[in-house]
Amino acid sequence: QVQLVQSGGEVKKPGASVKVSCKASGYTFTSYGISWVRQAPGQGFEWMGWISGYNGNTDYAQKFQGRVTMTTDTSTSTAYMELRSLRSDDTAMYYCTRGWGEWWGQGTLVTVSS
Amino acid sequence: DIVMTQTPLSSPVTLGQPASISCKSSQSVVHSDGNTFLSWLQQRAGQPPRLLIYQISNRFSGVPDRFSGSGAGTDFTLKISRVEAEDVGVYYCMQATQSPWTFGQGTKVEIK
Repeated sequence: QVQLVQSGGEVKKPGASVKVSCKASGYTFTSYGISWVRQAPGQGFEWMGWISGYNGNTDYAQKFQGRVTMTTDTSTSTAYMELRSLRSDDTAMYYCTRGWGEWWGQGTLVTVSS
Repeated sequence: DIVMTQTPLSSPVTLGQPASISCKSSQSVVHSDGNTFLSWLQQRAGQPPRLLIYQISNRFSGVPDRFSGSGAGTDFTLKISRVEAEDVGVYYCMQATQSPWTFGQGTKVEIK
């Protein structure tokens, strides 16, 4: 069965960076892209961008351009999302999702606080 | 960006009764390849989202047949034919036709 398992929660100070991982299993990693979506506490969803599992091509939301980097490691079927220059309003649950949103990771809570 | 607007934002429903959620997009979500990447997600409290419906009307694996989706162009609807206790949660429409993907604000389904 398809599973996306994300790394554990993080607490960061403003200005720091965070790197969240998403390990995929149960399917051929290179056949699907991975998107990253975040959800601030009590809020809706915000799409951050997408990365191809095949060739690493990316499409970032304009809001995050220059501050986010998405990468993959096909040898371990893992996708990564790094967000830099963290601010308090980056505090959110971060999710990875496969393809068109068929399968979702369990989420990684990133808390930004001084 | 395409704006997705859901109504109602809250839907108290009696067990066994139907529920309906509307989602309207600010522009057509028909892709140039002819597909419409309009999905419905369910999020139970403390859980990640779960895909219910993809491409307007296709139920995802394991989704009960009391859930159905319909619509075209800019107007879409999710229906629950008979609400069960496990259906309590927040439902979101989502378009993945055009980057950036965008989501509706969410509709909270609760038992009356």
